[in-house]
Parts: sequence; structure tokens; C-alpha cells
Amino acid sequence: NAGVTQTPKFRILKIGQSMTLQCTQDMNHNYMYWYRQDPGMGLKLIYYSVGAGITDKGEVPNGYNVSRSTTEDFPLRLELAAPSQTSVYFCATQGPGNTIYFGEGSWLTVV
Amino acid sequence: AQRVTQPEKLLSVFKGAPVELKCNYSYSGSPELFWYVQYSRQRLQLLLRHISRESIKGFTADLNKGETSFHLKKPFAQEEDSAMYYCALHSGGYQKVTFGTGTKLQVIP
Repeated sequence: NAGVTQTPKFRILKIGQSMTLQCTQDMNHNYMYWYRQDPGMGLKLIYYSVGAGITDKGEVPNGYNVSRSTTEDFPLRLELAAPSQTSVYFCATQGPGNTIYFGEGSWLTVV
Repeated sequence: AQRVTQPEKLLSVFKGAPVELKCNYSYSGSPELFWYVQYSRQRLQLLLRHISRESIKGFTADLNKGETSFHLKKPFAQEEDSAMYYCALHSGGYQKVTFGTGTKLQVIP
């Protein structure tokens, strides 16, 4: 039981490039989330999903897109990367008792 | 709308001193409250939840509905308590969890 798995763990992007952060879970949880955590700051919700085929914006969705074609996968797409998107990205699921399970994080630097 | 407020970004205490990490929430119903912890180079993980009424690693938290607070307390801080702490709220039903902005606890040897 791997829980929540994110890839890649580290990535450097050039301004204007695009990339996808992958997130997969094997706990059969319906709710999934993407957060970003800027240095010294708290979590900010980017997008979330309540189940396959359903996604919704969080606090800071601009510059990102998501899809949820299956229960297991919730990729986060960055289009036209900007330095402001340099951050640590966390994928998470919501399980029984409304406990949140986090991935290990993906460190992204845009230069 | 539900909201979670952690007024301190950074809290520094000496080893052996008491710790209180503040969390206030705004929600008119009966929420579920949680504390999550992020140790250095580790993923965020659940520390405790109010419905369990348990003590984890010496930490306790009591839900005060009158003051809409869920402060995290420990009588004697240890160096290994140094971490980022997040308070979170779930308002029930098919609602998502809302996190506070986090408080970094620094325990000074």
C-alpha cells in the first residue's frame, strides 16, 4: 500500500515551459487535492476533486490545470511556467474520518 | 464560509518550556478539528483529531466551541517537536478540509 505517490520529486523548468506533476493513490479515496507551499508560508489549495470526472478550483488556480479521469490519478498541469510558480507542490487525498493523506511533495524551480 | 486562523507564523520556545499553538476557526456548525505536523524533510501527517481526545507525543488539544478555538498544547517542549504545525477543519458531509496557514515551532536547546 503505497498511499499517495507524486512524481517527479525535483524539477527545474525554464520560463514558458510546461510540465505535468503526476499524483496517484491506491487507497480508493474520492477526494484529492493539490496544494502549493511557498518558502516559509502555509498551504494554499490549487485545485481539488471530489471524484472521477469532477474537479474544482481552490484559492490559487491561475496558471494550472487538472484532470481526474480515474479515481487513482490526479495530475496537475503547469502551462507557461513563471518564476512565481517556484514552490513545493503536495498532492493529498481525504480518507475515512476526513483524515488527509499527503504525498512527499514535488520541488519545482522555475528559472 | 469556514475559515481557520493560526495567528503565529513562528513560535520559538526553550526546551522544557510549555508550548501553545493557537488555532481559531469560524464555522457555525459542529466541525471536526485536526492538527497536522510536518517535520523537516518529511511529509505532512496527522498529529491528532479532537474527536479522539487523545494525547500524541505529549500534545493535547481541546475544542472550545464557545471561543471557537482548538489550541495545541504540550507542557514541556522537546527539540524534536520543532516542525511546522497546521490546524485543519472539516465541516461535515461532503465538504473538503480547510487548512490554516501554519505555525513553525522552533524549540531552542
